Amino acid sequence: EAEVAQSPRYKITEKSQAVAFWCDPISGHATLYWYRQILGQGPELLVQFQDESVVDDSQLPKDRFSAERLKGVDSTLKIQPAELGDSAMYLCASSKDGYEQYFGPGTRLTVT
Amino acid sequence: DQQVKQNSPSLSVQEGRISILNCDYTNSMFDYFLWYKKYPAEGPTFLISISSIKDKNEDGRFTVFLNKSAKHLSLHIVPSQPGDSAVYFCAASGETGANSKLTFGKGITLSVRP
Repeated sequence: EAEVAQSPRYKITEKSQAVAFWCDPISGHATLYWYRQILGQGPELLVQFQDESVVDDSQLPKDRFSAERLKGVDSTLKIQPAELGDSAMYLCASSKDGYEQYFGPGTRLTVT
Repeated sequence: DQQVKQNSPSLSVQEGRISILNCDYTNSMFDYFLWYKKYPAEGPTFLISISSIKDKNEDGRFTVFLNKSAKHLSLHIVPSQPGDSAVYFCAASGETGANSKLTFGKGITLSVRP
């Protein structure tokens, strides 16, 4: 069964450093999402791509976060500089038809 | 302002009995609803969904009920199994296609006792 791939699974970084996460969606899924999940909360959308175009980045802290999906396939989410409050699970999801979204295993970020 | 609410943080059920997980929403524009299951250190796994044109959808041991007038949905798991122990998220969407943003609740931790 096809799955969404994410790496790394775990990342520990010091505040003010740069960090990047990678996501490879299920083949053929045009829509890709990055979510952030803080412990005890549900996932919150950071950015949504349709192919290589950003559809929604209204909740992305653009002063420090950036996301790209250059060829409309895999995607990278970057944080620079990282802050203590960025510690969370970063989840990538993809969707073929805009209904069900399928999630990857996530990247657990700890900022020290 | 939380648009999707899962007011009970946890639920404990005996193995073999029914688990009922509840979810309320406030946005009348939501027209598609999903349930996800999440184990620690893993991403959410899609379980079951329902469109607003239906009031029930069933898949094996899982059934989702939707009451649009009450803006309420519930997930029934029958019979409950120890492997069902996880966090369950309710999510809602207001549009389809390219604008299918999901709004999640905070989740309910289900514990199924052997």
